[in-house]
Amino acid sequence: AQTVTQSQPEMSVQEAETVTLSCTYDTSESDYYLFWYKQPPSRQMILVIRQEAYKQQNATENRFSVNFQKAAKSFSLKISDSQLGDAAMYFCAYRSALETSGSRLTFGEGTQLTVNP
Amino acid sequence: EPEVTQTPSHQVTQMGQEVILRCVPISNHLYFYWYRQILGQKVEFLVSFYNNEISEKSEIFDDQFSVERPDGSNFTLKIRSTKLEDSAMYFCASSEDRPMNTEAFFGQGTRLTVV
Repeated sequence: AQTVTQSQPEMSVQEAETVTLSCTYDTSESDYYLFWYKQPPSRQMILVIRQEAYKQQNATENRFSVNFQKAAKSFSLKISDSQLGDAAMYFCAYRSALETSGSRLTFGEGTQLTVNP
Repeated sequence: EPEVTQTPSHQVTQMGQEVILRCVPISNHLYFYWYRQILGQKVEFLVSFYNNEISEKSEIFDDQFSVERPDGSNFTLKIRSTKLEDSAMYFCASSEDRPMNTEAFFGQGTRLTVV
């Protein structure tokens, strides 16, 4: 079974600064997807960024980028130029790419990000 | 922008009562999911649903739980006889196509409190 671990329950960053959220995972599969979801106080989980394991290039979405280290099974999220609206709970998630493994997402514990003005 | 909507946002029920949580997935989506998050714990997968049947379920999804798509728009989760440990946030999600190719969009959740 796959597991996802986020070892930072809480992080804080100054507005306009950069912060990195850590995520590690464990799997025996070679093909899979990794995600970062954001959960603001409104509670709705919003997809931030997605990475396919077969792609060597790190995914980037505007101010959000990842550092995907497949051999180390590490998938960190970097938020540049942090904004007050980035304050939220961030979840790292794993999904197998094998149809026989199903479509479930496996989540980490979450990291609560505070952005200080 | 289309979104997944869930009702109610908060439900309080007595232990032993049946509860139905409702979700309206995004209209052209074909795959539907329920997840739950007990306070202070990880978000956990419960069940996925496609083509009017369960495609996958977790060990949490026992006989007390059932899902249904009663019409063309709603997707429901029923808990037959609620227990205190069922208190959690329940999230509905949907995806457009084969889950391997597309991501899931989540609703805002229903907070279930069993007293």
